[in-house]
Amino acid sequence: DAGVIQSPRHEVTEMGQEVTLRCKPISGHNSLFWYRQTMMRGLELLIYFNNNVPIDDSGMPEDRFSAKMPNASFSTLKIQPSEPRDSAVYFCASSSTWTRTYNEQFFGPGTRLTVL
Amino acid sequence: TQLLEQSPQFLSIQEGENLTVYCNSSSVFSSLQWYRQEPGEGPVLLVTVVTGGEVKKLKRLTFQFGDARKDSSLHITAAQPGDTGLYLCKIQDSNYQLIWGAGTKLIIKP
Repeated sequence: DAGVIQSPRHEVTEMGQEVTLRCKPISGHNSLFWYRQTMMRGLELLIYFNNNVPIDDSGMPEDRFSAKMPNASFSTLKIQPSEPRDSAVYFCASSSTWTRTYNEQFFGPGTRLTVL
Repeated sequence: TQLLEQSPQFLSIQEGENLTVYCNSSSVFSSLQWYRQEPGEGPVLLVTVVTGGEVKKLKRLTFQFGDARKDSSLHITAAQPGDTGLYLCKIQDSNYQLIWGAGTKLIIKP
């Protein structure tokens, strides 16, 4: 079975440009998570969806960041305009069940974003 | 806000040695998960511990959940280069927020 698919794997862009990261969760999973990882701040949860509905976006750093999940098999994370401090590895993860006790998350390979 | 502290932050040892890394919380939590992240990849779940005092084994890895449900440890016996990676712990707090530790970066030298 295919795991979580992310594209692109690497993105280099200039400050001020729009960046769109894409994610295809594991088929049948109904929860999707976007994370950002840096050396300084570690793994940060940006936003998560349950059944395509955003549940908690409190981790989104500012209005330049937005995320959508138009259907169960696709999600995007957009940064507009991008800034050098947005440089990080962005991970998408999906989960088959959202229980209030725990959930197992399956991560994609990540997108390494560099903003010059 | 509940915090997760992992220690040590960094550990480099020789192949064959034993090691223990820790994950400590400021508050009680209902369950904890350990993940391992290899360079260039996303984290992968190793284990979930739910019951206070619980011990789980995964080959040479032994995971323990503290009796007070505020801490957990991961012990690796006879470490191998394939154990190299970033070990992360994660909990879900009483407000259903996901909280990750900063991780322990482990390097096993051949």
